[in-house]
Amino acid sequence: GAVVSQHPSWVICKSGTSVKIECRSLDFQATTMFWYRQFPKQSLMLMATSNEGSKATYEQGVEKDKFLINHASLTLSTLTVTSAHPEDSSFYICSARDGTQYFGPGTRLTVL
Amino acid sequence: KNEVEQSPQNLTAQEGEFITINCSYSVGISALHWLQQHPGGGIVSLFMLSSGKKKHGRLIATINIQEKHSSLHITASHPRDSAVYICAVLQVGTYKYIFGTGTRLKVLA
Repeated sequence: GAVVSQHPSWVICKSGTSVKIECRSLDFQATTMFWYRQFPKQSLMLMATSNEGSKATYEQGVEKDKFLINHASLTLSTLTVTSAHPEDSSFYICSARDGTQYFGPGTRLTVL
Repeated sequence: KNEVEQSPQNLTAQEGEFITINCSYSVGISALHWLQQHPGGGIVSLFMLSSGKKKHGRLIATINIQEKHSSLHITASHPRDSAVYICAVLQVGTYKYIFGTGTRLKVLA
């Protein structure tokens, strides 16, 4: 079946640094990719929707200058957390859609 | 009230037991996803349903569109099934999923 990968699976960084998370669709082309965030013991919350070659659409309350999303190709989207702070520590999940939506395994970000 | 409700929130079972996790939703949907999230956080997609029933190994998922309800069954449960099971519905006319808060399952040996 279709597979979505994320890299890295976990990352620890210092406060103030930027972190890039990659989401790849491995055997299909994804016209739309989604980024979610999950706090401990809570549901996944949609952060933004990105379409290949165009600007991402951010959900209300999500800072677009802090969470930079690039969907440069039909198989790759990246989420960059800029000037990370400890409150950005979370589990970030992407999903990719080609008519059916497939979820990536997630990336755990810890900001010290 | 959440648009997607799961029950129970927590479940402890003995190895070998038959387990049922329920998901009810209040919006029109075009698909429903069951996801498994292991303690380390990694998410695995178990099923995507738009009607009827699907089976994969010891897992069975059913959906009743008229009643806006889905169930995930695990037969002959095993400690490795311990995880959080999340129901997610794709709201009709959108690309956005609405997620339940998850059911935390612990299977004891």
